[in-house]
Amino acid sequence: GENVEQHPSTLSVQEGDSAVIKCTYSDSASNYFPWYKQELGKRPQLIIDIRSNVGEKKDQRIAVTLNKTAKHFSLHITETQPEDSAVYFCAASMGAGNMLTFGGGTRLMVKP
Amino acid sequence: DVKVTQSSRYLVKRTGEKVFLECVQDMDHENMFWYRQDPGLGLRLIYFSYDVKMKEKGDIPEGYSVSREKKERFSLILESASTNQTSMYLCASSLGGHFNFGPGTRLLVL
Repeated sequence: GENVEQHPSTLSVQEGDSAVIKCTYSDSASNYFPWYKQELGKRPQLIIDIRSNVGEKKDQRIAVTLNKTAKHFSLHITETQPEDSAVYFCAASMGAGNMLTFGGGTRLMVKP
Repeated sequence: DVKVTQSSRYLVKRTGEKVFLECVQDMDHENMFWYRQDPGLGLRLIYFSYDVKMKEKGDIPEGYSVSREKKERFSLILESASTNQTSMYLCASSLGGHFNFGPGTRLLVL
């Protein structure tokens, strides 16, 4: 089955700096890669996703890049703010709506 | 907006008890999932269902079973709870799109 690895497990940045979280996946058949943000005590919420026919996608301060050849994808957050502090999960699946395999999560801390 | 609800936010059970975790979604989604969340391990898939009466094992089904008698309800059953099943349990639903998670049930098995 699919295996998703996520790094780093914790990340601390100064407010205004950029943050990058990286994930690798094992199954070349995976074609949908969402990112979820989970604030303390809350449910995971989708923040951005990318499909395998696209190399990069942006939404304001958030961007995701995908390298299908290397089987890795990354989340980039620019101009970080304290409210970006949360646990972020990457995931992979063979089609949106199908079962997701999640990475281990990254705890991002943005220091004011 | 899709709403996914779970029967309990917090639950305390004793070893050996049979435990039922209920999940209900209100948007007629066909796909439903049960994950458990543990620090450093992310979310791991226990069971999923793509239709009524249908169920498939995920990555960690041992010690669990599920029931999907109605489209909107997906139940997770711990046949005989053990301490290593202490965890956060998250239910989710989807319909060809992104997942909608429930609020989670934090289960403590003593």
